[in-house]
Amino acid sequence: GENVEQHPSTLSVQEGDSAVIKCTYSDSASNYFPWYKQELGKGPQLIIDIRSNVGEKKDQRIAVTLNKTAKHFSLHITETQPEDSAVYFCAAPSGANNLFFGTGTRLTVIP
Amino acid sequence: DTGVSQNPRHKITKRGQNVTFRCDPISEHNRLYWYRQTLGQGPEFLTYFQNEAQLEKSRLLSDRFSAERPKGSFSTLEIQRTEQGDSAMYLCASSSDSSSGELFFGEGSRLTVL
Repeated sequence: GENVEQHPSTLSVQEGDSAVIKCTYSDSASNYFPWYKQELGKGPQLIIDIRSNVGEKKDQRIAVTLNKTAKHFSLHITETQPEDSAVYFCAAPSGANNLFFGTGTRLTVIP
Repeated sequence: DTGVSQNPRHKITKRGQNVTFRCDPISEHNRLYWYRQTLGQGPEFLTYFQNEAQLEKSRLLSDRFSAERPKGSFSTLEIQRTEQGDSAMYLCASSSDSSSGELFFGEGSRLTVL
């Protein structure tokens, strides 16, 4: 089955700086890689995803890059704002019907 | 609000008691998932329904856990003879065939077993 490792577990950045979170996965057949954001007291919410037929996807200040050869993918947040503070999870498919989530990165944006 | 709804939001129980959680998915979603999340960890898959059929169960789902989705709409997750190790956030998510893989999570039901 799939295994996903996520680093770092905590990340503090100054407002306006960039943040990068990295994940590695084990199953070379995986073809879908989402990123979820979880705010305090809420369930995770999808913020961006990428499929294996592209190497990069961007949505305003958020981008995800995928390196299939190395089996890793990264989340990039530029021009960070205090409202970006949350826990971020990467994930990859595990079996036909579910996702295997990483252990999460707690991002703190310091005003 | 037409998102995924979970009840109760918090449950405190004594070891050995039974508890039941309910999930109301987004109305047109045919797929429903239960995940468990402990402090500092990512969600861990428990089980998956497509309509009323339970198609997949994790090894995490011991025989004390049972989930149902009798009419293909709401779902319940029951834990019998609770143990302290069952303390966690139980998250429900739903999706449809046209969701392109996106899971829509509820806010979770937090269980504390004393």
